[in-house]
Amino acid sequence: AQSVTQLDSQVPVFEEAPVELRCNYSSSVSVYLFWYVQYPNQGLQLLLKYLSGSTLVKSINGFEAEFNKSQTSFHLRKPSVHISDTAEYFCAVTWNSGNTPLVFGKGTRLSVIA
Amino acid sequence: GAVVSQHPSRVICKSGTSVKIECRSLDFQATTMFWYRQFPKQSLMLMATSNEGSKATYEQGVEKDKFLINHASLTLSTLTVTSAHPEDSSFYICSARDRDAAGYTFGSGTRLTVV
Repeated sequence: AQSVTQLDSQVPVFEEAPVELRCNYSSSVSVYLFWYVQYPNQGLQLLLKYLSGSTLVKSINGFEAEFNKSQTSFHLRKPSVHISDTAEYFCAVTWNSGNTPLVFGKGTRLSVIA
Repeated sequence: GAVVSQHPSRVICKSGTSVKIECRSLDFQATTMFWYRQFPKQSLMLMATSNEGSKATYEQGVEKDKFLINHASLTLSTLTVTSAHPEDSSFYICSARDRDAAGYTFGSGTRLTVV
């Protein structure tokens, strides 16, 4: 079975500082990996995803994540955060066969401090 | 991009009544819809997988008679919380694989409060 571990439940960081949100997964088969962001009382918005190909994937708002198969990780990074990045971030995995659901990590609350 | 419209966004109901939540895929056909539940400050827990034209598959511990799922068409799936109790208060979110199957689109969620 697939599982996702987000080691940090909360990450406070000062504005314009870099940040890394960690995500490790467990799977015996090939996976697709995702990062979603959730603002209060809203649904999830896709930040970026890894399906295949280049292991470094980037979002339009400056986030990036690198798929590391040997370390079974998919950490999310941003070189300089903004106040508006304050939100809950979820890492998710699914296996790439059939119409399968996403399995989510417990989430990391990113708080950007002015 | 693919859009899933979820309604209502918020609902308050009395204990013992039933509430229906709708999710529609607006510009693609969602043969499968996933229903999640999220408690405050927690992650999303998969409740069930609904397939168009067939019975939903429920995760262990989810009461199928309490959370009725119907997926009568390729663009509409509904979740009905029957005989709601305060412990059913939660945030419910639906999700579908998008049209090119390269990702998942989420509804905006429904905040259910049972009083």
